[in-house]
Amino acid sequence: QQQVKQSPQSLIVQKGGISIINCAYENTAFDYFPWYQQFPGKGPALLIAIRPDVSEKKEGRFTISFNKSAKQFSLHIMDSQPGDSATYFCAASRSGGSNYKLTFGKGTLLTVNP
Amino acid sequence: SAVISQKPSRDICQRGTSLTIQCQVDSQVTMMFWYRQQPGQSLTLIATANQGSEATYESGFVIDKFPISRPNLTFSTLTVSNMSPEDSSIYLCSASQGLARGYTFGSGTRLTVV
Repeated sequence: QQQVKQSPQSLIVQKGGISIINCAYENTAFDYFPWYQQFPGKGPALLIAIRPDVSEKKEGRFTISFNKSAKQFSLHIMDSQPGDSATYFCAASRSGGSNYKLTFGKGTLLTVNP
Repeated sequence: SAVISQKPSRDICQRGTSLTIQCQVDSQVTMMFWYRQQPGQSLTLIATANQGSEATYESGFVIDKFPISRPNLTFSTLTVSNMSPEDSSIYLCSASQGLARGYTFGSGTRLTVV
């Protein structure tokens, strides 16, 4: 059972455009939603994260929008740059319990054309 | 956030042998995890490395195949035992000092079994 569904699988955007990646989750106990950026040959790096008590969080060109009732969250990359070309993973976790393991989406390969 | 050193970065191993991957964190962390990632795919959690006790394995992963040690709050090892070509993958260590500080990943170990 896939608890975090991510779309699209791949995305091609022109430089300066807006990249939008969507995720939906099933487990209402999730209360931490990070986005990771991964370049080839590297481990995932935390990009931005949000908790369900806010509907939006912005850090520079990156914004997370969160819709608790729909159990969906999305990553928006404004003014996309070729250097943003990477694989993006959404994830979710819950703060209760004995550990805080992350459940990942399947990833989105973003290509930003110059 | 914590910085993770993982080694080896890559290895080519003969089938039937075992490989131990080391994960060193530059500060004490609450939780450490081991993931597997096929090239171009998402991350699959193998187990949570518990300090001073047996690791907690996810469904489909067993201790005999993936023994894990965590002798202190900054170090863990994952052994891939009796390897077969199907074990060829990228193995990633992750650590967290709590949800508020997010999760950090090492750069991974690219394992090829021939």
